[in-house]
Amino acid sequence: GAVVSQHPSWVICKSGTSVKIECRSLDFQATTMFWYRQFPKQSLMLMATSNEGSKATYEQGVEKDKFLINHASLTLSTLTVTSAHPEDSSFYICSASGTEGEQYFGPGTRLTVT
Amino acid sequence: AQSVTQPDIHITVSEGASLELRCNYSYGATPYLFWYVQSPGQGLQLLLKYFSGDTLVQGIKGFEAEFKRSQSSFNLRKPSVHWSDAAEYFCAVGAVNYGGSQGNLIFGKGTKLSVKP
Repeated sequence: GAVVSQHPSWVICKSGTSVKIECRSLDFQATTMFWYRQFPKQSLMLMATSNEGSKATYEQGVEKDKFLINHASLTLSTLTVTSAHPEDSSFYICSASGTEGEQYFGPGTRLTVT
Repeated sequence: AQSVTQPDIHITVSEGASLELRCNYSYGATPYLFWYVQSPGQGLQLLLKYFSGDTLVQGIKGFEAEFKRSQSSFNLRKPSVHWSDAAEYFCAVGAVNYGGSQGNLIFGKGTKLSVKP
């Protein structure tokens, strides 16, 4: 149980275009989902907390107009990277909170902006 | 400030040897502590968690961790390492908000484990 999926697993896009990443909790409902960014050989950095039916809470330094988060249902949250630039290339990981406070992580999405 | 420190960036052990990965935390309230493992190019898998009660917690894949409040530590151990354990290990601390909802996690920088045959 407690499986979280992400789609796509990797994407290459041109600079200036937008990319949408989906995060789904497959076998449980998650009122709260989290979006992280991970640079090579580094730890995860929390970008935002996504709550179903309300606006996301962004961490300091994260541009909310660039990284659009929508949590439209209890099983789906999306992250849209708008007007992507090469510096946005990274590994994006989502997680969904379980009933006991733990987080279940998706497999990640590798974004490369050319 | 809340923080998690994993002092060892990279550890190499021989297959069959014992393992201990260190984690120290700084947290104002009673911490909720986690260990996650990440294989290359993959997401994170929860190994174990500590919320309260017995300070020695058992996890998956034969891992265990011990919470020591006096040392602000939550070290991960395994008595006999397998080659498949080679991965990146992250310690994290977090809070469960009022009502039981999950707060965000603060991660350490990770420890890369290599296993020699």
